[in-house]
Amino acid sequence: KAGVTQTPRYLIKTRGQQVTLSCSPISGHRSVSWYQQTPGQGLQFLFEYFSETQRNKGNFPGRFSGRQFSNSRSEMNVSTLELGDSALYLCASSPGWDGYGYTFGSGTRLTVV
Amino acid sequence: EDQVTQSPEALRLQEGESSSLNCSYTVSGLRGLFWYRQDPGKGPEFLFTLYSAGEEKEKERLKATLTKKESFLHITAPKPEDSATYLCAVQSVKAAGNKLTFGGGTRVLVKP
Repeated sequence: KAGVTQTPRYLIKTRGQQVTLSCSPISGHRSVSWYQQTPGQGLQFLFEYFSETQRNKGNFPGRFSGRQFSNSRSEMNVSTLELGDSALYLCASSPGWDGYGYTFGSGTRLTVV
Repeated sequence: EDQVTQSPEALRLQEGESSSLNCSYTVSGLRGLFWYRQDPGKGPEFLFTLYSAGEEKEKERLKATLTKKESFLHITAPKPEDSATYLCAVQSVKAAGNKLTFGGGTRVLVKP
């Protein structure tokens, strides 16, 4: 059974650019959540999508956005990159709403220079 | 606001030396408390979910327990392969969807 797939694994961008990260959930999972992980702040919730609708959003600026497609694949976009956006971005998928089967991908390591 | 605090931040153990990790939480109605293991450069790997005070779950050398204010992850006779960062997270009944609030983690190093 394939796990959660995140692409790309590594990314280097320049300050001011924008970036799009992709997440393919486990087959049959309709919920996709995104997290930012940094050494200083730990794992912080960005947003969650369920059946193409954003169901919850964390305390991040509007430069961080996401979307989910009809096949449950999700993308997140960060515009006008700042040095502080350098982090490991993690995606997690789940069949429903109760946290059961909440499975993380390996993440995308974004470095902003 | 939901809060999770893990202690200690780091733990160095000799192989076979049992120990416990603490996760203290404040949440507006607990739906579930989760334990994950994370290896460097990888995503968190699910270990346990606990739903109510008094509940216990075991997996190999790991045992998780839950009270109304905290959870413990006991590592019995650890091996070097148990070295990892252990993360605790809570899900609130008041939060829409699958939002988890994580603690800062405990880095565990088991030396042979």
